[in-house]
Formats: sequence, C-alpha cells, structure tokens
Amino acid sequence: DTEVTQTPKHLVMGMTNKKSLKCEQHMGHRAMYWYKQKAKKPPELMFVYSYEKLSINESVPSRFSPECPNSSLLNLHLHALQPEDSALYLCASSQVPPGRVERSPLHFGNGTRLTVT
Amino acid sequence: GESVGLHLPTLSVQEGDNSIINCAYSNSASDYFIWYKQESGKGPQFIIDIRSNMDKRQGQRVTVLLNKTVKHLSLQIAATQPGDSAVYFCAEKTGFQKLVFGTGTRLLVSP
Repeated sequence: DTEVTQTPKHLVMGMTNKKSLKCEQHMGHRAMYWYKQKAKKPPELMFVYSYEKLSINESVPSRFSPECPNSSLLNLHLHALQPEDSALYLCASSQVPPGRVERSPLHFGNGTRLTVT
Repeated sequence: GESVGLHLPTLSVQEGDNSIINCAYSNSASDYFIWYKQESGKGPQFIIDIRSNMDKRQGQRVTVLLNKTVKHLSLQIAATQPGDSAVYFCAEKTGFQKLVFGTGTRLLVSP
C-alpha cells in the first residue's frame, strides 16, 4: 500500500461542477506534487509545493487551483473543467524539494480517476 | 523502439526469465535517475534510484545500470514473475529542475 493517500478514488463531474481532490502524506516530506496522467502516457507535472509554498506551476489553466493547508495535506480544487481534463490525477511527495542539491525520489499515491462529462 | 501514438513499447517474457528494460535519456547533465513501476489502476511505485556518480546499483531482484557515455539506463529484473507485469517508467533529473519521465515500457510476463 502507498503511504500517500488520495481521495476520492473515482470522480465524475459535470462541466459546471466544483469539486476537490485530496491528498495526505505522513512521511514528513516537505515537497508535494500534483501530476496529470493520460492513458498510456507518462505523468505530467502540474504543481509543486515546497515547504507549503507553491514553487512550480507548469502553466496550468486557472480552472485547476491547488492548495496546501499544512505540510501533510494537498488539495486540488476543480471548477468549470472540460471533457479533455478527464485523466488520472496523481499526488506525490518527496523528502527534498526539487530546488535542492540533495536528491530524493517521489512517492506517489494511487490517484483519482476523473471523468468530466 | 519508441512509442508511436498510443502504443507503448512492450517486452514479453516467460516467468522465470530475466528481463531488461531500456531507457535512453535526453540530457547529458542529468545527475539522478529513478525507475518506477505502474500497475493498472495504481500510481507509479518507486523501484530503485541511482546517482550519476555510480554506474550500477542493486536492489532486491532488480539492478539498475547507468551508461553516461551513451546516455542509457537499464533496469534488470531477475527471475521475472507474473506480478512484475506493469508499465515501467524511467525518470531523470537535472540540477534544480523537475523530474522528467520517459515514455514507458510495458512488461508482460506469461506463466
């Protein structure tokens, strides 16, 4: 089992809905990430939080809004999504943020399978 | 070979064989590499990592080899089992930049 927990596992939403994805880790990691993964493709980075501050936004549309309430929690707020936003949304954490000299692997949750109708 | 469109490169092996999954990375300045395993319906699972000051690292039933001269990374799985069937991604990191994932290879293990 993964040490990064994501809820819900599946989500179906209409284009006018507002929903949130949640992620939690208790490994004491100081960096948390949101990735988007389409079928048969590698994960694509969306956002990085380092020490609870947004450090990387990969030019993600504003209909995706991340939030990091504390060092263990990461949310992704969704509003007015498009059908092409349907994908697996993965949360990850790492002991060391990307901008540091030290190296540590990312640990992923099992994702939320999002379908936008 | 490289994936085209929606088709992942696939490696098919028999149970008990050794598997070798290859990855060509793009940036000669990359200094950290990770292999991930992704099973259907799950997130990527960390397998093993290696820093650029090493050329080989071993884990439990897995070995990663790094050839910086030709920018090549490989994952060797000994005595492959049906539970090893998954998509395997290599990922590289350069300096302070983000982790970049390769396109992935599907491993199919027949009993």
